[in-house]
Amino acid sequence: KQEVTQIPAALSVPEGENLVLNCSFTDSAIYNLQWFRQDPGKGLTSLLLIQSSQREQTSGRLNASLDKSSGRSTLYIAASQPGDSATYLCAVRRSNTGNQFYFGTGTSLTVIP
Amino acid sequence: GAGVSQTPSNKVTEKGKYVELRCDPISGHTALYWYRQSLGQGPEFLIYFQGTGAADDSGLPNDRFFAVRPEGSVSTLKIQRTERGDSAVYLCASSPGTGTGHEQFFGPGTRLTVL
Repeated sequence: KQEVTQIPAALSVPEGENLVLNCSFTDSAIYNLQWFRQDPGKGLTSLLLIQSSQREQTSGRLNASLDKSSGRSTLYIAASQPGDSATYLCAVRRSNTGNQFYFGTGTSLTVIP
Repeated sequence: GAGVSQTPSNKVTEKGKYVELRCDPISGHTALYWYRQSLGQGPEFLIYFQGTGAADDSGLPNDRFFAVRPEGSVSTLKIQRTERGDSAVYLCASSPGTGTGHEQFFGPGTRLTVL
């Protein structure tokens, strides 16, 4: 079974700082990896998807990298803003046929104005 | 266009009752997923549909849980003889397909409380 871990569980930074969120997984035979943000009491909003053949994806101030061999992905947020405050979740998909998605428990980010 | 919608947004029921949770996926999305999220945890996979059929139901915790998608669009998650441990947020997601580049899009969830 795929185990997904996110460290740290919580992070508080002043506005304007660059920051990195970490996601590690135990089985490197992944199909793709997706990063989401979740606001309190809300569903998940997709941020970035990295296919297994890719090393990174970028969208605006967000950059996600994938290193399958070491079982790690990072989400880099540049010039953080208070509106970035949310819980960030990574999800790993194992295979096309099984289609199991495994989520980490998330990193709760607070950006202080 | 419209995103994934789920109804009801909140459901309070008594132990032992039957509940149905509905998911309307994004139009044209062939893949549909149900997850359950407990407080402070990441979503936990329950079941996945490709079209009308359940392609993978290995995440359903027991036979009290059942889901259908009769016309390949709307899906209903059914829980019989609810227990207090079933209390959670039930999330639905849809995807255009199952290729490596296909993202999952989530609905707002249904918060189920079993008293």
